Amino acid sequence: KNEVEQSPQNLTAQEGEFITINCSYSVGISALHWLQQHPGGGIVSLFMLSSGKKKHGRLIATINIQEKHSSLHITASHPRDSAVYICVATGNQFYFGTGTSLTVIP
Amino acid sequence: NAGVTQTPKFQVLKTGQSMTLQCAQDMNHNSMYWYRQDPGMGLRLIYYSASEGTTDKGEVPNGYNVSRLNKREFSLRLESAAPSQTSVYFCASSGDREETQYFGPGTRLLVL
Repeated sequence: KNEVEQSPQNLTAQEGEFITINCSYSVGISALHWLQQHPGGGIVSLFMLSSGKKKHGRLIATINIQEKHSSLHITASHPRDSAVYICVATGNQFYFGTGTSLTVIP
Repeated sequence: NAGVTQTPKFQVLKTGQSMTLQCAQDMNHNSMYWYRQDPGMGLRLIYYSASEGTTDKGEVPNGYNVSRLNKREFSLRLESAAPSQTSVYFCASSGDREETQYFGPGTRLLVL
């Protein structure tokens, strides 16, 4: 049983497309994080959310606490957005999604 | 600021050998974490430290020990390495438990 489910597992998009990655969780949480892991292995934290919506450049993250759901949107996608995106729910423990592998084709 | 640094970057061990992975952060963060990531799998938390002097087990603590030496440093020790511990190990830190985590570059460990 996975406390955090991400979808889709794999995603291929054309450059310029609008992308949505979803994260659903079944536990009580105090915060939800979105991480980005590039093909070289480095991990960057994109957002930390406890409510509402955050925007950074072309990236937007939303969370609906009542529905236990978060989304990561990428507007005007670019090949450099190709990476694995991981959601992490922080509650009594840390709960990790298995990641969404995104490939953006020029 | 260097952020989060890890040493070594790469290590090969024989089964049964011991080693310590070092992690340091210069952001005055309270919380620090050790994760492992196996090929094709997600991150799994090994141990974390909410503050200096405290440590707690994560999802996969067996075979590992940790030391929060001071606020800056959090080390991970393998007392008797096993092939199943071949992985990439990431250290991270955050101001507090719910805050944004900053990751180190990772240590690639191969146990033969």
